[in-house]
Amino acid sequence: EVQLLESGGGLVQPGESLRLSCAASGFTFSSYAMGWVRQAPGEGLEWTSIISGSGDNTYYADSVKGRFTISRDNSKNTLYLQMNSLRVEDTAIYYCAKRLAAAGAVDYWGQGTLVTVSS
Amino acid sequence: ETVMTQSPATLSVSPGERATLSCRASQSVSNNVAWYQQKPGQAPRLLIYGASTRATGIPARFSGSGSGTEFTLTISSLQSEDFAVYCCQHHNNWPWTFGQGTKVEIK
Repeated sequence: EVQLLESGGGLVQPGESLRLSCAASGFTFSSYAMGWVRQAPGEGLEWTSIISGSGDNTYYADSVKGRFTISRDNSKNTLYLQMNSLRVEDTAIYYCAKRLAAAGAVDYWGQGTLVTVSS
Repeated sequence: ETVMTQSPATLSVSPGERATLSCRASQSVSNNVAWYQQKPGQAPRLLIYGASTRATGIPARFSGSGSGTEFTLTISSLQSEDFAVYCCQHHNNWPWTFGQGTKVEIK
């Protein structure tokens, strides 16, 4: 059974940093691209970043480019999101997402971790 | 960036009736569209990808169609568990973007 378990969310002040983790199990982690999708309170979904299975290729939304870094450790089956220079508008639930092999859709989601940026 | 626009924002449907949801892309995304269902407090659930391919375990009452810029999700006979928010997402070229969602509520 595929499981994605996020951790690392919390309350931070604007300008601070936070690192999210996603522990994956139930599939061959290194074979799949993974990403982070966020959802601000009462809002729609937004892809923030995605990383290839090998970790060689990464893509970012313009809203987080230069501030967020996605990475993975395939030996630990873990996905990361380093978030620097956090802004109030980064407040959201952050979902770890496994990309479907056949298309750029998400076939498995974590339960989400809440990041709140507030002074 | 390709903008995905969904309509209507809210759809009121009686159980057993058919629901038709629309999603329009601001430029062609070929057939690279997925549909998700989301219930309050839960992560989204993949229903359809590639515009018309049902994901594993999704009932046949869910179907998707379209290509280019116009896409449709049809729920043939609404069950009680189908009342939720549905959103589309293109997966053509990065950045992949989502529509704002259509809420399907009980009439």
